[in-house]
Amino acid sequence: QKEVEQNSGPLSVPEGAIASLNCTYSDRGSQSFFWYRQYSGKSPELIMFIYSNGDKEDGRFTAQLNKASQYVSLLIRDSQPSDSATYLCAVIDTGTASKLTFGTGTRLQVTL
Amino acid sequence: GAVVSQHPSRVICKSGTSVKIECRSLDFQATTMFWYRQFPKQSLMLMATSNEGSKATYEQGVEKDKFLINHASLTLSTLTVTSAHPEDSSFYICSALPLTGSSSYNEQFFGPGTRLTVL
Repeated sequence: QKEVEQNSGPLSVPEGAIASLNCTYSDRGSQSFFWYRQYSGKSPELIMFIYSNGDKEDGRFTAQLNKASQYVSLLIRDSQPSDSATYLCAVIDTGTASKLTFGTGTRLQVTL
Repeated sequence: GAVVSQHPSRVICKSGTSVKIECRSLDFQATTMFWYRQFPKQSLMLMATSNEGSKATYEQGVEKDKFLINHASLTLSTLTVTSAHPEDSSFYICSALPLTGSSSYNEQFFGPGTRLTVL
């Protein structure tokens, strides 16, 4: 069974701090990784995808991938209250190259 | 671009009735659409993969006779929950995969979801 693991949280960070969200996956052959943000009662929205080892930055968000350790993370700099949401890590299925396996999500709370 | 709609956004029905949920890609064509279900405080669980012009592929444990999927065109897939029961109450979300070459790294575009409540 291919698995994607996340700490469910809640992760509480003060406004302006860096939030660090982590994800591990079991399928060593996985190539593409996605971070989604989901507000309560809404569907997920894509924040970033990453496929190469190392860091990928987009504004306040940085995704980090380490395929050897089967680990992908998301850093949110200068966290804002509007960042409070559940962050879902998702991995493309290597067999179909299209199906996504989602982690359980980490709930982030940014406090004033 | 890449907008996916779902209809209805909310539905309340009586136990034993059937409910149809539509998923449309508004500005692109999608040969593949996915149907997910999300229970409170849980993650998205893939129910089935819907392919235009062919039968859907269901994930293990999902009853294909209960959750009927039809993907009649490149922009529309429907999910029908037959003989719905209270345990089917959930948030149903579809996503659409644009035709090959028109999105980066097989990015799926998600609909806004349909909240189903079965009384």
